[in-house]
Amino acid sequence: ILNVEQSPQSLHVQEGDSTNFTCSFPSSNFYALHWYRWETAKSPEALFVMTLNGDEKKKGRISATLNTKEGYSYLYIKGSQPEDSATYLCAILDNAGNMLTFGGGTRLMVKP
Amino acid sequence: GAGVSQSPSNKVTEKGKDVELRCDPISGHTALYWYRQSLGQGLEFLIYFQGNSAPDKSGLPSDRFSAERTGGSVSTLTIQRTQQEDSAVYLCASSLAGGDTQYFGPGTRLTVL
Repeated sequence: ILNVEQSPQSLHVQEGDSTNFTCSFPSSNFYALHWYRWETAKSPEALFVMTLNGDEKKKGRISATLNTKEGYSYLYIKGSQPEDSATYLCAILDNAGNMLTFGGGTRLMVKP
Repeated sequence: GAGVSQSPSNKVTEKGKDVELRCDPISGHTALYWYRQSLGQGLEFLIYFQGNSAPDKSGLPSDRFSAERTGGSVSTLTIQRTQQEDSAVYLCASSLAGGDTQYFGPGTRLTVL
């Protein structure tokens, strides 16, 4: 069983603040990392899929980086808006597995 | 195209009754997953189907829970003798193959009185 940890568990920021949070995972046998965004009363939606060490992906104000050697990924949100409020999930696929293992998520709340 | 659909969207039942939850995955997706989210909790894996292989049932919380996937498409999650702690949102997801991006359905909110 993969141990995928996300921190912090929850985060409150003011509108306009930039923020970031972390996904940590075992670096051995890493294959891919996924980030999902899960808004209240909606279903999780895929944000990024990352596979290569040093990868950086960007979607609007949201970006993510990946370090497979040390086993972590950062998700950054620039200039947070209230509509960014959601739970952000990361999930890992390792070489031995055939399905994603999800972390516990970081719940972000952006105050107007 | 059509996404993952689930039915019913809401289900209220009495303790001790059996319930069936349905998931229609995206056409052509070989992998199907069931998760649940209890109040204040994260995403809890329940069961995973991949093609014709035996399902991975390692996340099922008790033997009251079972699931089947007929014809490699529609899946039904059955909870027998429901308990109040079974109250949760049950989410289904599908992916093209195991390990690929998962596409989630809208969920079924189950309330056990």
